[in-house]
Amino acid sequence: DAGITQSPRHKVTETGTPVTLRCHQTENHRYMYWYRQDPGHGLRLIHYSYGVKDTDKGEVSDGYSVSRSKTEDFLLTLESATSSQTSVYFCAISESKGTLQETQYFGPGTRLLVL
Amino acid sequence: AQSVAQPEDQVNVAEGNPLTVKCTYSVSGNPYLFWYVQYPNRGLQFLLKYITGDNLVKGSYGFEAEFNKSQTSFHLKKPSALVSDSALYFCAVRDGTGRRALTFGSGTRLQVQP
Repeated sequence: DAGITQSPRHKVTETGTPVTLRCHQTENHRYMYWYRQDPGHGLRLIHYSYGVKDTDKGEVSDGYSVSRSKTEDFLLTLESATSSQTSVYFCAISESKGTLQETQYFGPGTRLLVL
Repeated sequence: AQSVAQPEDQVNVAEGNPLTVKCTYSVSGNPYLFWYVQYPNRGLQFLLKYITGDNLVKGSYGFEAEFNKSQTSFHLKKPSALVSDSALYFCAVRDGTGRRALTFGSGTRLQVQP
């Protein structure tokens, strides 16, 4: 999975609790992304990062925040988890040139269940 | 807004037969098109992409895709299906305006029967 790890791989939590998912890469790529995968929707972008401390919103960013203090780590936080955030979360990275031609490579995913 | 349609939720094909997984797209400007495959409990694996040039793109595991600008399609094909090709396939597009996000289709499940 292209030098990308995600932790935890599975998590069960309760509504209203904060949750942080971690993505770690060993490729030294500049761009990192968080997507969620839901049946019938494919993958949808939550947030992405184009460098340390540089982040921007995707199409489904409400209820999520991100941080990137090191090149290799990109954290996704659910401030107060809701049942609608039950999903599979994927981290992706892409090459450092920043062109639109670049390929995104995906991590193994984190399966989150909010009760 | 850019969008991707995968009109078939599932495609069934016999092993050894050719397979096609359909994808149509809508973008402003020139499209950058991608195919990914997902095996159970795994992340997405990159298969191939179209950026520019030859309309027939060859990728991993014997897959290829044909870009058709007039029909705004990017169908995934393989001449001879294997049982191990059974998986979930996603088409994705990015336009040339600078947006970073890939827009994904809803996915097509390919089932190859022995």
